[in-house]
Amino acid sequence: SQQGEEDPQALSIQEGENATMNCSYKTSINNLQWYRQNSGRGLVHLILIRSNEREKHSGRLRVTLDTSKKSSSLLITASRAADTASYFCATDANQAGTALIFGKGTTLSVSS
Amino acid sequence: DTAVSQTPKYLVTQMGNDKSIKCEQNLGHDTMYWYKQDSKKFLKIMFSYNNKELIINETVPNRFSPKSPDKAHLNLHINSLELGDSAVYFCASTLSGLRADTQYFGPGTRLTVL
Repeated sequence: SQQGEEDPQALSIQEGENATMNCSYKTSINNLQWYRQNSGRGLVHLILIRSNEREKHSGRLRVTLDTSKKSSSLLITASRAADTASYFCATDANQAGTALIFGKGTTLSVSS
Repeated sequence: DTAVSQTPKYLVTQMGNDKSIKCEQNLGHDTMYWYKQDSKKFLKIMFSYNNKELIINETVPNRFSPKSPDKAHLNLHINSLELGDSAVYFCASTLSGLRADTQYFGPGTRLTVL
């Protein structure tokens, strides 16, 4: 069953602007992850945030997690054309906790 | 070195045929997965193997049969292909699989059933 829902579905911005994507989920989690998928390629792991963490940074990426609201956000600062991709949040909320449940993704387009 | 590799990258076949997709990981991971991504980019878990043992088998038709000859390989065989099987299939691996930690994905196999 689908767990995560990203918002917005699509986002178009100019280079240099910040991009914010949101993810909501339904059940308790151990961790939440964000992945990037370039067109025609596999998914690449960006960042993992555990349920006891509230914020995490990695380079130009900032992820927040609000377990009370069951939501997370991914902020990409100073975006570049190379950031154009689909971004997915994924949670480990299936019963066995051994697989990821992905949202539908946000398609980000960064124009120069 | 490619961490998770899949072959073939593209597969075009007729309805009713049987086909296989191969996956190999050289990361020393214990757990491997097959995911299906549909035309709307929705990614869904199909199977998971931990050290050659089946852990997860989501509601996937019996026509799909995974096989893991060793923990570095997880192949997917599909019998009697149907139009609805057209999708991109991704293999992934993770270190232990006991918790859903970081997964490493292959480049995908785009299957087109005509």
